[in-house]
Order: sequence, then C-alpha cells, then structure tokens
Amino acid sequence: EDQVTQSPEALRLQEGESSSLNCSYTVSGLRGLFWYRQDPGKGPEFLFTLYSAGEEKEKERLKATLTKKESFLHITAPKPEDSATYLCAVQGISGSARQLTFGSGTQLTVLP
Amino acid sequence: DAGITQSPRHKVTETGTPVTLRCHQTENHRYMYWYRQDPGHGLRLIHYSYGVKDTDKGEVSDGYSVSRSKTEDFLLTLESATSSQTSVYFCAISESEGNGYTFGSGTRLTVV
Repeated sequence: EDQVTQSPEALRLQEGESSSLNCSYTVSGLRGLFWYRQDPGKGPEFLFTLYSAGEEKEKERLKATLTKKESFLHITAPKPEDSATYLCAVQGISGSARQLTFGSGTQLTVLP
Repeated sequence: DAGITQSPRHKVTETGTPVTLRCHQTENHRYMYWYRQDPGHGLRLIHYSYGVKDTDKGEVSDGYSVSRSKTEDFLLTLESATSSQTSVYFCAISESEGNGYTFGSGTRLTVV
C-alpha cells in the first residue's frame, strides 16, 4: 500500500527565513510525485510534478527535489503570501496505485 | 478553477437522508475523481471515473455511489448520510493518468 508522510505538520517562519518541507513516500513503482498548495477554503492548486530521482523543479521561491525515498520542497526567502498548506502526493504505476495518494500536509505560516 | 465547478458549496443535511453532490467540468478531461478531506487524514479517494459510465472504487467508498452519464458531469451520492460523512468533498479532473489533477473549490457537507 502506498504511503506518504509529510513533516513537519506545521512550520512558522519569519519573512526571509528559508526552510524545507519533507515528503517521505513508499510506493511500488513511482509514476510521479506531485506538490500542491492549498489555501484555506479552497481546493489544492498544482505546483510541480517530479518523475525520477535527481529531478528538480523551480517556481519563484519554491524548489522541489526528489530522491528514491523522499522529496523536499525548499522555500527560499519566503513572504507572508507563501503561507498555505503544502500537500505532497504520489502516483504509482499499477492497479489502485494509479490514483494519487496524498500526505496530510505541512501548514506553513510566514510572519511579516 | 480552470473549468471545474462543484455544487452546492455548502450543505447541511440530516442523518439518514440521501445527498447528491455535483461536479461539472468544461475541460473535456477523461478522468474525474471524488476526494474527501478530513483533519489528520488528508485527502482520501472515494471514487473515480475513467470515462462515461466507467467508474471504480477508491480507498473510502463505503456509503457512497457515483454516476457519470456525460463527460462533463460526475455525481457523488451519499445513499443515507451519517455523521461520519461530515467532511469537505473535492472533485478533481485530469487529462490523463500521468498528469497532475485540477481540483474544484470543494463542498462543505455537515450531517446533523
């Protein structure tokens, strides 16, 4: 059974204080690892897809990396508008694992 | 949200009554999904559809049924609502299994 564990559950940063969010996963054959951002009262918003170990993707202050067991979402010099819950999900290559399995998320608060 | 709408946005219903939630898309995507989101559990897949009249069960399908008679509409029915089905329900769409999902804004359902 696919499993996704995100840490920490919550993170408070000062504006400009860089940090990383962790997503550890187990899946029998990884098709893709996805990062989403979710604001309160809204649906998750797609950020990145990573397909193979060593791959990196960047968008503004966010950078996602992938190894065979975990993914990191690095946030460089965050701003208050980066405050949100960040979700990680994995997709396997066969059977029910073809659907996304989500972690519980990291709630990020960036203080001005 | 990129051509995906959910209705209603909020609903309060009584235990034992049937409830139907609607997801409508204008993207002509093949795949549609229903997730529920609960504190501490993250997003969990209820049912999904891979084409008109083609549906399958997800992780937490007990007590739920779905129908897809047209490409653009995916209905989720709670046959006899229970308090444990109080949750936020999200619909998602994807063009193919390897793509990230686009989520709707969610339906907050309260069963009293």
